[in-house]
Amino acid sequence: QQQVKQSPQSLIVQKGGISIINCAYENTAFDYFPWYQQFPGKGPALLIAIRPDVSEKKEGRFTISFNKSAKQFSLHIMDSQPGDSATYFCAASRDDKIIFGKGTRLHILP
Amino acid sequence: GAVVSQHPSRVICKSGTSVKIECRSLDFQATTMFWYRQFPKQSLMLMATSNEGSKATYEQGVEKDKFLINHASLTLSTLTVTSAHPEDSSFYICSATTGGRAYEQYFGPGTRLTVT
Repeated sequence: QQQVKQSPQSLIVQKGGISIINCAYENTAFDYFPWYQQFPGKGPALLIAIRPDVSEKKEGRFTISFNKSAKQFSLHIMDSQPGDSATYFCAASRDDKIIFGKGTRLHILP
Repeated sequence: GAVVSQHPSRVICKSGTSVKIECRSLDFQATTMFWYRQFPKQSLMLMATSNEGSKATYEQGVEKDKFLINHASLTLSTLTVTSAHPEDSSFYICSATTGGRAYEQYFGPGTRLTVT
């Protein structure tokens, strides 16, 4: 049972464009929704996170949009840069564990 | 920020041997540590959760006798892959949390295990 569904699997965006990654969850018990960035051969690093009582959170060029009724959330990367090329994982968490999406490989064209 | 280290970063071992991977929280005390496995171009799969001084809790399908986890102190957890086989080759990542809350996890850089 895949509790967190992520799309697209891969994404190519021109430098300066907007990268959008979408996720959907099933379990309404999740109470925290983080996004992680992972470079090849490295562990994931927390990028930005949101709680379900907030509809949007922005940190620099990164924005999470959250739709509680639809059980969907998305990551927007504004003014995408080649250095943003990485794999991005959405996740959903309750007290005891984090459930990761399958990841999106993002490539920003220079 | 909280830093988690792993050692070694890469290890190659022969089939049938055992290999130990260390996970350390460098600047905080980790009440709970998590061990994940990641196959190429795939997501992180939780293997087990360990709390300092107690037995690890393994996820369904993970062989506890094959993947031995020890969390002997608040800054160190070890994963030992016993009688390794080529199918155990993977990227192993640990994470640590201070208060036992899953979302406050700080991830290590990972260990690439290759079993020949």
